[in-house]
Amino acid sequence: ILNVEQSPQSLHVQEGDSTNFTCSFPSSNFYALHWYRWETAKSPKALFVMTLNGDEKKKGRISATLNTKEGYSYLYIKGSQPEDSATYLCAYTTGGGNKLTFGTGTQLKVEL
Amino acid sequence: GAVVSQHPSRVICKSGTSVKIECRSLDFQATTMFWYRQFPKKSLMLMATSNEGSKATYEQGVEKDKFLINHASLTLSTLTVTSAHPEDSSFYICSAQKGGSGSSYNEQFFGPGTRLTVL
Repeated sequence: ILNVEQSPQSLHVQEGDSTNFTCSFPSSNFYALHWYRWETAKSPKALFVMTLNGDEKKKGRISATLNTKEGYSYLYIKGSQPEDSATYLCAYTTGGGNKLTFGTGTQLKVEL
Repeated sequence: GAVVSQHPSRVICKSGTSVKIECRSLDFQATTMFWYRQFPKKSLMLMATSNEGSKATYEQGVEKDKFLINHASLTLSTLTVTSAHPEDSSFYICSAQKGGSGSSYNEQFFGPGTRLTVL
């Protein structure tokens, strides 16, 4: 992996469904992995910052895991709600730097 | 806390004119601000890193004379697109990083972005 890749590109689910997205990133010289939630016409908001291999973070119905050795992170949403509809971005930084390298995002739409 | 505003949210201009976009950290001091550009269906691409009181550092391929960045205070950075042309039409978004010990893992706080359309 040379760049940050996110899959799927978009996702439509029904209210109440659980879902997950994948973020793949270069594993060399890894420093931190960031997940952002970006609603239309608003600012991207940070969900999680993870640094350690095996890290798991949780905020309400949303959780994330991190595998720095193989270079991937999963974001899980349990019991999706319409208000979860947004684009979910991941970005990573390398050691010694403060630049974020972003994926293209996963666009989630939760329907009633 | 950690709110970043951006102005304007949308601008349409004629080819050849210059456009200034402002990025402000409203409730914290930002020693470092970043400017990104997003093309349709593409990821946010870093254009430049701006440190208060010093010249911006531009990413490879970004013309510094085309995209002028000024970071004159700890709460304001501006991006000026000079002599804009239709190919400069894009979505521009800024972010700010808290100074000193206020920054956790280099976390960045984003503005809502500016949609620039050059006719």
